[in-house]
This record gives sequence, structure tokens and C-alpha cells, in this order.
Amino acid sequence: GENVEQHPSTLSVQEGDSAVIKCTYSDSASNYFPWYKQELGKRPQLIIDIRSNVGEKKDQRIAVTLNKTAKHFSLHITETQPEDSAVYFCAASATNAGKSTFGDGTTLTVKP
Amino acid sequence: DSGVTQTPKHLITATGQRVTLRCSPRSGDLSVYWYQQSLDQGLQFLIHYYNGEERAKGNILERFSAQQFPDLHSELNLSSLELGDSALYFCASSAVTRDGELFFGEGSRLTVL
Repeated sequence: GENVEQHPSTLSVQEGDSAVIKCTYSDSASNYFPWYKQELGKRPQLIIDIRSNVGEKKDQRIAVTLNKTAKHFSLHITETQPEDSAVYFCAASATNAGKSTFGDGTTLTVKP
Repeated sequence: DSGVTQTPKHLITATGQRVTLRCSPRSGDLSVYWYQQSLDQGLQFLIHYYNGEERAKGNILERFSAQQFPDLHSELNLSSLELGDSALYFCASSAVTRDGELFFGEGSRLTVL
């Protein structure tokens, strides 16, 4: 089955700096790669996603890149703000797999 | 508000007991997923139902079972509870069976004493 590894497990940055979180996946059939943000005590919420026919996608301060050959994808947050502090999860799924496999999460702390 | 409703929000019970967690998906969503999140852990996939049928199963314990009813709500049954079953159980729904955004409920926090 699919295995998703996520690094780093914790990340601390100064407000205004950039943050990068990386994930690798094992199943070459995976074709959908979402990123979820989970604030303390809250539910995970999708912040951005990318499909395998696209190499990069951007939404304001957030961007995701995908390298299918290397089987890895990354989340980039620029101009970080304290409200970006949360746990971020990457995930991967394949058509008809019936599930999304999540990474173990990255706790991002943005210091004012 | 994601549109996914989970009850109860909190549940405290003793070892050996049985509990039922309930989930109502977003209106129109046919897929329901259950995930377990232990303290400071990631999201472990348990099971996926689509329109009443089981579509995928993860590392779900034999003591756990689930079903999806004709009105599309789902229930996760946890029996012979152990201390290690204490966790946040999330239900999520999606509009398609293949791949797409998961809409999570607020979760049911289970504490086994």
C-alpha cells in the first residue's frame, strides 16, 4: 500500500520567513496530493492540493510543487504569519484506491 | 463549518465497554471515511464507505466495525475498549469515490479509563 513520509516533524520560523515542508510517497499510481492544516483542537482543513498532471500550484502565500519522477511534493509558505502556526499534513491518494494516506504531520510554529 | 456532523463530541468510558460514534456526511456526499488520531499522532485511516458499501479498509482492529446506512449516515462501533483506543476519531466525507477533498467533521474525542 501507499506510504507517505513527511519532514520535518517540527519547524520553527520567524514571522515573515518562508517555511517548506516535504513529503515523499511510494505508490507511483498516486495522482492526488492534498495538504491539510489542523489548528489546535480543530479539524483538518484543506489548504491546497495538486494533481499529477501539474508540477506546481500557487494560492497567494501558499504553493505546492510535485516531482512525479522522484515521488515527492512540497508545501511552501512565504511571508509566514503567527496564524500560520498549526500542524500541516500531506496526503496522497490514487484513483479508485478508496482512501487518502496521510503523512505524520509537521508542527509549524511562527514566532512573532 | 464543513457540513459533516459527528456525535458525540466527547465520550468517556471504561475499559471493556462498547461505544458507537455517529457521522452524518455533507448533503449529497456518498463517501464516508473514518480516521483515528491518537495524541500527537497523524491520521490513521480506518475505513471508507461509499453509498452503503465498504470500499477500502485500513488497519482497523477486529474489535472495531462500521457501517453506512441508507440515509448515508455512518456509525463506527468500538468494542472491548482498551486504554490505547483513547483518541480523536474523525469522520470525513467527499463528493467523489476516487480522489478529492475530504471534508472533516469536528471529531469525537474518546477517553477510555
